Amino acid sequence: EVQLLDSGGGLVQPGGSLRLSCAASGFTFSSFAMSWVRQAPGKGLEWVSGMTGGGRIISYADSVKGRFTISRDNSKNTLDLQMKSLRVEDTAVYYCAKMRGQLLGNYHMNVWGKGTTVTVSS
Amino acid sequence: QSVLTQPPSVSGAPGQRVTISCTGSSSNIGAGYDVHWYQQLPGTAPKVLIYDNNNRPSGVPDRFSGSKSGTSASLAITGLQAEDEADYYCQSYDNSLSGWVFGGGTKLTVL
Repeated sequence: EVQLLDSGGGLVQPGGSLRLSCAASGFTFSSFAMSWVRQAPGKGLEWVSGMTGGGRIISYADSVKGRFTISRDNSKNTLDLQMKSLRVEDTAVYYCAKMRGQLLGNYHMNVWGKGTTVTVSS
Repeated sequence: QSVLTQPPSVSGAPGQRVTISCTGSSSNIGAGYDVHWYQQLPGTAPKVLIYDNNNRPSGVPDRFSGSKSGTSASLAITGLQAEDEADYYCQSYDNSLSGWVFGGGTKLTVL
């Protein structure tokens, strides 16, 4: 069964850091691009960052560029999101999502994790 | 402000047909990128409902259908059922942002 297990969320103060992780199973991890998508309380979905299957091409939403870093370890089937200089507006449920293809571009997110909650508050 | 525009809410009685629109621009839907639709039930992760404009994953009833024309797309749901009450999101790729974009979401209420 294809599965994504996201973890690492928690409560952090503004300006702090947090690292999210996503453990993948049931598919050839290196063959697919992966993304992080977040959803603020009561709000819609916002794509945060994506990375190609081989890890060579990365893209970020303007709202997190320079503060968040996406990475993957294809030997361990894991996807991470290092978040620094966190702001109150980064408070959200963060979902790990598998893209249908290997590259960034014209694909949809065909498998989602259950989400991990990040709360940025003093 | 979402890059793709959806109505905040739609409603319909059981058995009726509703449509949800998704309007983009020349850098996303109008550039030829496919539109995908997700259903999010309360308290759960989104699930893909329609991909590549008009394709249903296995297990999605044929009551759900999608279409795309120009810079817009639509999701149609026929034979509304109480279990269809959820939030629906459209998604595409934007070449000026070099990333994926979502609509703001539409809350479907089954009366």
